[in-house]
Amino acid sequence: QITLKESGPTLVKPTQTLTLTCTFSGFSLSTSGVSVGWIRQPPGKALEWLALIYWDDDKRYSPSLKSRLTITKDTSKNQVVLTMTNMDPVDTATYYCAHTAGILNGAMDHWGQGTLVIVSS
Amino acid sequence: DIQMTQSPSSLSASVGDRVTITCRASQSISSSLNWYQQKPGRAPKLLIFAASSLQSGVPSRFSGSGSGTDFTLTISSLQPEDFATYYCQQSYSMRTFGQGTKVEIK
Repeated sequence: QITLKESGPTLVKPTQTLTLTCTFSGFSLSTSGVSVGWIRQPPGKALEWLALIYWDDDKRYSPSLKSRLTITKDTSKNQVVLTMTNMDPVDTATYYCAHTAGILNGAMDHWGQGTLVIVSS
Repeated sequence: DIQMTQSPSSLSASVGDRVTITCRASQSISSSLNWYQQKPGRAPKLLIFAASSLQSGVPSRFSGSGSGTDFTLTISSLQPEDFATYYCQQSYSMRTFGQGTKVEIK
């Protein structure tokens, strides 16, 4: 059974750096084809893809946010960490992490419950 | 960047109706198109991957079609639990979501 859970601060101040952790179980991020991604959703708005990391440590970032994002993995801890620098109130959103298996053509088949991040002074 | 455009942005339908949602990519994405359902306060749920493959456990009233730039999600007979927002997502290059289609009760 695959599960993912996001954790991190609920409130961050403008200009601060956000660090979110995705802790997962039921799969290994060292298995060929597997990846974990981050997606966010501002209140009442659409989903926005942010970044993903593959089993081989290959990384992909949203072009519009690439300069602010870093994604890393700790296979031994079953965790993926996303950092986002220079936070702004427009970054207020629910942040999700999600699993993709290699056979799913890049589709995200298991999602965490999401964590709400509010950016405010 | 590949842009994804869904239409309509919202629709009203009745239980039992056949519902069709369209997603268009700004360039060809082959069959690298996935569909999700999201209910308020919940994480998205994968319905269809690779344009037309039904995810395990998803009712057969959901189907997907298309390739290249034009794709369709069809619900053959709308059920009460299907009222939700639907998103398409391309996985051809990076990842991009459409803006969503909200299916409401008529």
